[in-house]
Amino acid sequence: EIMLTQSPGTLSLSPGERATLSCRTSQSVRSSYLAWYQQKPGQAPRLLIYDASSRATGIPDRFSGSGSGTDFTLTISRLEPEDFAVYYCQQYADSPYSFGQGTKLEI
Amino acid sequence: QVQLVQSGAEVKKPGSSVKVSCKASGDTFSSYPIVWVRQAPGQGLEWMGGIIPMFGTPNYAQDFQDRVTISADKSTSTGYLELNRLRPEDTAVYYCARAWTGQLLEWLYFDPWGQGTLVTVSS
Repeated sequence: EIMLTQSPGTLSLSPGERATLSCRTSQSVRSSYLAWYQQKPGQAPRLLIYDASSRATGIPDRFSGSGSGTDFTLTISRLEPEDFAVYYCQQYADSPYSFGQGTKLEI
Repeated sequence: QVQLVQSGAEVKKPGSSVKVSCKASGDTFSSYPIVWVRQAPGQGLEWMGGIIPMFGTPNYAQDFQDRVTISADKSTSTGYLELNRLRPEDTAVYYCARAWTGQLLEWLYFDPWGQGTLVTVSS
């Protein structure tokens, strides 16, 4: 099973700042099969990024993903108030399709 | 665009079973995997398994293999998750989602998601 470790656990920033979230995997993720999701309280997760760097439909371009192998990054270039949420990475290269433990982005 | 609507909240006794439904509308139901992910209170996301309705053979995460049954009814475009021998630690929100597939029919990322179903296990 591929384990995912996200860092930091909590990130405290202000609107307008840049956020950098990290996701490391225990094994290399083939084909960069890694996604990022955003989850707000009381809501289902929402797909932001797939295949490590492709934005999902309707996702603003301030969200970007990068990385390959075992190191992946989600960057939010200029934080908007609605971006404060929990972010999860997920690998879908191998079953079971595991998630990271999440990074909470707070004001 | 597919939309997934799940059944309502459940309260169950330890040792009993629960069956959660996930009805799809607006797109081709049978061709894509429907997956199930759970989230315990204040915790992260845990993939439980999934099924491609067209083929009917489920794929389970090992942690749930002996207690879970995932099925789908093509006639009603509805997926089901049944969890048996419930324990208090099964208290969680259970989500269904559609998985996209690649050229080799491998399962990919999950989008969209249902609204979630809270299952509470308590004596």
